[in-house]
Amino acid sequence: GENVEQHPSTLSVQEGDSAVIKCTYSDSASNYFPWYKQELGKRPQLIIDIRSNVGEKKDQRIAVTLNKTAKHFSLHITETQPEDSAVYFCAASKREGFKTIFGAGTRLFVKA
Amino acid sequence: DAMVIQNPRYQVTQFGKPVTLSCSQTLNHNVMYWYQQKSSQAPKLLFHYYDKDFNNEADTPDNFQSRRPNTSFCFLDIRSPGLGDAAMYLCATSSRAAGSGYTFGSGTRLTVV
Repeated sequence: GENVEQHPSTLSVQEGDSAVIKCTYSDSASNYFPWYKQELGKRPQLIIDIRSNVGEKKDQRIAVTLNKTAKHFSLHITETQPEDSAVYFCAASKREGFKTIFGAGTRLFVKA
Repeated sequence: DAMVIQNPRYQVTQFGKPVTLSCSQTLNHNVMYWYQQKSSQAPKLLFHYYDKDFNNEADTPDNFQSRRPNTSFCFLDIRSPGLGDAAMYLCATSSRAAGSGYTFGSGTRLTVV
């Protein structure tokens, strides 16, 4: 089955700096890669996603890149703010199955 | 305008006493999932319903069962909770038509005493 690895497990940045979280997946049939943000005690919320027919997607300060050949994808947050502090999960799924397998999560701290 | 609602938010149950967690949705999504999330870990898929078709993960303990009486509701039954079952249980929905991400409920935090 699918396995998603995520690095780093913890990331601390200064406010205004960029943050990058990297993930790799094992199943070449995976074609949908969402990213979720989970604040303490709250539900995970979808922040951005990318499909396998696209190499990059951007939404304001957040961007995601996908390298299908290498089976890895990354989340980039620019101009980080304290409210970006949360746990971020990458995930992968196949359209047919729809079930999503999550990475282990990255705890991001943005220091003011 | 909550779209995926889980009840209760907090549940305390006794060791071995059956407990049921509920999830309802107003999105008319045809896929519903149950995830278990322990502290500082990734959500772990327990099972999902694709319409009425039940799909169990291979490593989901037999102690966990699920029911989906209609499109809107899905239940998680834990027949004999153990201390290791204490966790946050997240319900999520997705739409096959959209092939998009999940909408999560707020979760039920289960404590076993």
